[in-house]
Amino acid sequence: KNQVEQSPQSLIILEGKNCTLQCNYTVSPFSNLRWYKQDTGRGPVSLTIMTFSENTKSNGRYTATLDADTKQSSLHITASQLSDSASYICVVSAGDYKLSFGAGTTVTVRA
Amino acid sequence: DTGVSQDPRHKITKRGQNVTFRCDPISEHNRLYWYRQTLGQGPEFLTYFQNEAQLEKSRLLSDRFSAERPKGSFSTLEIQRTEQGDSAMYLCASSFVSGRALSSEQYFGPGTRLTVT
Repeated sequence: KNQVEQSPQSLIILEGKNCTLQCNYTVSPFSNLRWYKQDTGRGPVSLTIMTFSENTKSNGRYTATLDADTKQSSLHITASQLSDSASYICVVSAGDYKLSFGAGTTVTVRA
Repeated sequence: DTGVSQDPRHKITKRGQNVTFRCDPISEHNRLYWYRQTLGQGPEFLTYFQNEAQLEKSRLLSDRFSAERPKGSFSTLEIQRTEQGDSAMYLCASSFVSGRALSSEQYFGPGTRLTVT
């Protein structure tokens, strides 16, 4: 069973609207959690990184939250743009080189 | 562009053929990682190098797969006798880990898309 579960699997939103993606993890011990954006046919690009003591981190229109007690994270996209269409992957690190990846949420922004 | 580069970007091969992919990490990054990603899934760890030493291999890396990083810079991933199940995106990432740190951010390349027919 994957140690990082993401929901929804995919979503479609209209340009200018907001959306929130969810990530639940069971990875232990916990070092940090990252959200990556992966455009089709490209490698993942880091959006945010949060450690145990951080509960929110923003990068432009992207805001990530972390609840280390419940082992949940979310990524909120504000005022979506067509360029936000991509897969968003939640990645949890136990502190060593191994990363646990979620399957991703595919976001499609329509005009 | 000083990011991680991979070559080729796309490869179509017939079952049973051998293929080799190349990854050039960010200059001076001492760690290099290989991942495999199938459609609709997150990347899965295959192997990683610290300089030229291959320190760990996943059970996903069957004996048909071999990776090298001979001079601690670029790396190659070879798949022998390819099978249709090998069709995937092969991602390379690199990072710099100093001193006693266990990990640092991994920067990903654009990937090589392999299609085995």
